[in-house]
Amino acid sequence: SQQGEEDPQALSIQEGENATMNCSYKTSINNLQWYRQNSGRGLVHLILIRSNEREKHSGRLRVTLDTSKKSSSLLITASRAADTASYFCATDDTGGSYIPTFGRGTSLIVHP
Amino acid sequence: EAQVTQNPRYLITVTGKKLTVTCSQNMNHEYMSWYRQDPGLGLRQIYYSMNVEVTDKGDVPEGYKVSRKEKRNFPLILESPSPNQTSLYFCASSFSLSPAYNEQFFGPGTRLTVL
Repeated sequence: SQQGEEDPQALSIQEGENATMNCSYKTSINNLQWYRQNSGRGLVHLILIRSNEREKHSGRLRVTLDTSKKSSSLLITASRAADTASYFCATDDTGGSYIPTFGRGTSLIVHP
Repeated sequence: EAQVTQNPRYLITVTGKKLTVTCSQNMNHEYMSWYRQDPGLGLRQIYYSMNVEVTDKGDVPEGYKVSRKEKRNFPLILESPSPNQTSLYFCASSFSLSPAYNEQFFGPGTRLTVL
């Protein structure tokens, strides 16, 4: 099964700054999802973007998808200390079983 | 409240002592799965189930068993735990695997230590 790869592995910023993290994948997908995980807790779904969509917004989150480059980015604007968490992308595989597989995540620290 | 529950949340056991981690969801979801999370390795899928009585291996199934006798429950069984199964385990569910409905809902996690 393919796995999305997030970049960077770790990101440290000040409150109020924007945070951008990226996800690259290898094969064609139906959709790409972003999840957040607070330390030691279960993942929480943030946003889903379909393969025919290029951009999606949800509150302070903006997700883009470039299927030609097989990559996605998650932008968190005006970050807050409460945004400190790990962020994962999950991709399915149009040629496979549609089971979402997760990358290793980006660890974001937002300093107050 | 729609949720996925797991029990126990924390477990310390010894090598070879059979254990079961329960998972239950109240959303009538068809798809359920188990993951383990280890530092630097991300989330790796252990087993999944498309529906009642339908289970299949994920990426790291060795040393684990599952069953899906009812739609809401998907227990993870370690028949003879070993120290390399020390990990953080998550159960997850989704309405189906259809791309329109495969948002995953995660349980709170079970931290297992095998001595």
